[in-house]
Amino acid sequence: NAGVTQTPKFRILKIGQSMTLQCTQDMNHNYMYWYRQDPGMGLKLIYYSVGAGITDKGEVPNGYNVSRSTTEDFPLRLELAAPSQTSVYFCASSKMTGTGNFQPQHFGDGTRLSIL
Amino acid sequence: AQSVTQLGSHVSVSEGALVLLRCNYSSSVPPYLFWYVQYPNQGLQLLLKYTTGATLVKGINGFEAEFKKSETSFHLTKPSAHMSDAAEYFCAVGHMTTDSWGKLQFGAGTQVVVTP
Repeated sequence: NAGVTQTPKFRILKIGQSMTLQCTQDMNHNYMYWYRQDPGMGLKLIYYSVGAGITDKGEVPNGYNVSRSTTEDFPLRLELAAPSQTSVYFCASSKMTGTGNFQPQHFGDGTRLSIL
Repeated sequence: AQSVTQLGSHVSVSEGALVLLRCNYSSSVPPYLFWYVQYPNQGLQLLLKYTTGATLVKGINGFEAEFKKSETSFHLTKPSAHMSDAAEYFCAVGHMTTDSWGKLQFGAGTQVVVTP
């Protein structure tokens, strides 16, 4: 199992450019998440998805968009990149059911994005 | 609203000494609690989790944590630090409520340095 795979690992963008951060998981998890990590701030939830075709905003969604056309893939789109979006982005997934235990999230290795 | 507070952004411990990382949460409903570890340039890895049942939870790499409802705490400990424990540690809380199901709130993280 590869788990959660994120590409690219590093990227430098110019202000105003756009890009898509890719995330795929091979664990048949229904829930997927995008976080950003800034020094001393922990992880902040950008968007999440409870299944194919269903997405919702997290704590810091402005400037980002997502889609979920398949169970495996959950790309994050940055439109009109701004310096404030310089961060490390993590994708995660989990297998959640309607009842029972709250399952842990599995994380990818992150994408380090700089916007200059 | 739920929140997570990790006391101490940086902790320095001597090799062989006790590791104690503090985590307090606020919650109006029973929480699900997690500790994750992040090594440099990697994603988060699950150390341990508390869902229901026994309040003393054992995890990987010799770590354990105790859920204390009366103190709203979930402190992480390891009896004897090893050089390989140098990393950043995150406490996270989740809830089985309609608007929070599947989502985690993360603390700001504690960076652990181990000195010889």
